Amino acid sequence: KQEVTQIPAALSVPEGENLVLNCSFTDSAIYNLQWFRQDPGKGLTSLLLIQSSQREQTSGRLNASLDKSSGRSTLYIAASQPGDSATYLCAVRLRNYGQNFVFGPGTRLSVLP
Amino acid sequence: GAGVSQSPSNKVTEKGKDVELRCDPISGHTALYWYRQRLGQGLEFLIYFQGNSAPDKSGLPSDRFSAERTGESVSTLTIQRTQQEDSAVYLCASRDIADYGYTFGSGTRLTVV
Repeated sequence: KQEVTQIPAALSVPEGENLVLNCSFTDSAIYNLQWFRQDPGKGLTSLLLIQSSQREQTSGRLNASLDKSSGRSTLYIAASQPGDSATYLCAVRLRNYGQNFVFGPGTRLSVLP
Repeated sequence: GAGVSQSPSNKVTEKGKDVELRCDPISGHTALYWYRQRLGQGLEFLIYFQGNSAPDKSGLPSDRFSAERTGESVSTLTIQRTQQEDSAVYLCASRDIADYGYTFGSGTRLTVV
């Protein structure tokens, strides 16, 4: 059974810091991995999607890496801003058709002005 | 539509009543998913639709929960005889078969009093 964990559970940093969020999964036979952002009381916003054949994806100040063999992904946020405060979820997808993403519990990020 | 639309955005109901939650996926998206997120917890998979059929309904927590999809479009999640533990945010997501990532709606916050 695929299990996804995220470390740390919560993180508080001052504005401007670079930070790394970690995601680990137990079964390396994934199809892809997706990072989401969830603001309080809101739904999920997709940030980055990494296919199993890719090593990393970048969007603006965000960079996500994937190491399938070790079952790890990291989300790097450069020059953090208070607007980055949210819960960040990683999710792995096991097969191409059907099935669902298995979500991690999330990392709650607070960026202090 | 431009995104995944869910209605209502908020629902307060009395214990024992039935509720219906609606999801309008992105037009043309053949895959549709329902998730549940209880307060302070991660996302739980409920059911997956491919077209109008549900090949995976393994996440439905009890027979009080059911879902249907018609016209490869709108989906309705029905909870009968609601209980307080059903209180959660119910999220819907859709995906184009040719695409790899999910698009989530903003969710329905259900409160059972």
